[in-house]
Amino acid sequence: QSALTQPPSASGSPGQSVTISCTGTSSDIGGYNYVSWYQQHPGKAPKFIIYEVNKRPSGVPDRFSGSKSGNTASLTVSGLLAEDEADYYCSSYAGNSNYVFGTGTKVTVL
Amino acid sequence: QLQLQESGPGLVKPSEALSLTCSVSGGPIRSSSYYWVWIRQPPGKGLEWIGNIYYSGDTYYSPSLKSRVTISVDTSKNQFSLRLTSVTAADTAVYYCARQISAWLAYDSWGQGSLVTVSS
Repeated sequence: QSALTQPPSASGSPGQSVTISCTGTSSDIGGYNYVSWYQQHPGKAPKFIIYEVNKRPSGVPDRFSGSKSGNTASLTVSGLLAEDEADYYCSSYAGNSNYVFGTGTKVTVL
Repeated sequence: QLQLQESGPGLVKPSEALSLTCSVSGGPIRSSSYYWVWIRQPPGKGLEWIGNIYYSGDTYYSPSLKSRVTISVDTSKNQFSLRLTSVTAADTAVYYCARQISAWLAYDSWGQGSLVTVSS
């Protein structure tokens, strides 16, 4: 299966919001509510921040929120902080016990 | 606190097999609540799902790698392993092991990653 499509980059000033899209197909994002999001700082392992489209694990600030419409999922980071500067990846269940990641988006805090 | 740690050679020759082990501490690998996963990331590129295994030994692989991948589990050692055969330079990547919550199908705990370079 093909990788989910994310914009290569996004940016915002401190305190502003940034939204990242993640586009798939009816076989992955559109077919299931198993979209998750991960934050990765340089040289570090990814960190789990959203599951099942819009749920936050314990300890993740409510500045991070997720949504889905059709074949596209989105992650919004509100009240941007310098520490939010990182790469962000979406992931989706793709049926038949397969999974797919997004291409990744680099978020820059201006 | 669950911890995962990858181990294995950092350099593999082309056409040979890559083998990595993930040691899990702070919780049992024998649990019906989780899958155990391998994910890789080529330098400067995105994440790629390789496959996962249930404690019972049931395995699921990426269609693009299925012919070359074997994932196994050793519950007595609380470890699971990856073997990738016939490697090429395109298999050079940081390899992560992770835990996947079966109810959420999300990866909640990750190892630090292990860089494997394929080169002669």
